[in-house]
Amino acid sequence: SAVISQKPSRDICQRGTSLTIQCQVDSQVTMMFWYRQQPGQSLTLIATANQGSEATYESGFVIDKFPISRPNLTFSTLTVSNMSPEDSSIYLCSVEPGPGGEQYFGPGTRLTVT
Amino acid sequence: AQTVTQSQPEMSVQEAETVTLSCTYDTSESDYYLFWYKQPPSRQMILVIRQEAYKQQNATENRFSVNFQKAAKSFSLKISDSQLGDAAMYFCAYRSGNQFYFGTGTSLTVIP
Repeated sequence: SAVISQKPSRDICQRGTSLTIQCQVDSQVTMMFWYRQQPGQSLTLIATANQGSEATYESGFVIDKFPISRPNLTFSTLTVSNMSPEDSSIYLCSVEPGPGGEQYFGPGTRLTVT
Repeated sequence: AQTVTQSQPEMSVQEAETVTLSCTYDTSESDYYLFWYKQPPSRQMILVIRQEAYKQQNATENRFSVNFQKAAKSFSLKISDSQLGDAAMYFCAYRSGNQFYFGTGTSLTVIP
């Protein structure tokens, strides 16, 4: 397994501003993932972030809106840019520490945009 | 396209009783993984159990077990001796390659 922390745990932001969410893992992992969970909904994958390469974005998500950094094997950031109320969600990072196929999740960041 | 369907938005169970949560999925792949995750109000996603598609034996983790029917593409979760701490949102998930899909979730209430 892996222990994952996220900062901030929650934030309230003004429309038009940006927020950067940090994800820290207690072990080195190749693949990190960012998800969005809108209120009362399931998880939707935003992008996959591998160290040393550009993030791969899922359909409906673009780098200009959700830039991702992956400077090393234990850390990643997701920025939510030019926010609107529709961006109000929980954002979760996850990692895949081993070959078993499962992902382990951080505690999430609850973002409210006013 | 792969999809994961949880047809029970809400379920309830009496404490100490058994409950089964349903999940079906659609795939043309033969090699994949299936998971159940639990998300309590704290919103932390917790892995409950995993199943590899090539294994015929159903996975078991203490009070949690699955009924994996590959031909029917069904993956139900059975919770035995339900406890108050089992109350949460449960998500079924499918993984093949780098694709990871979640169902819409089942909200489980445990009645004391």
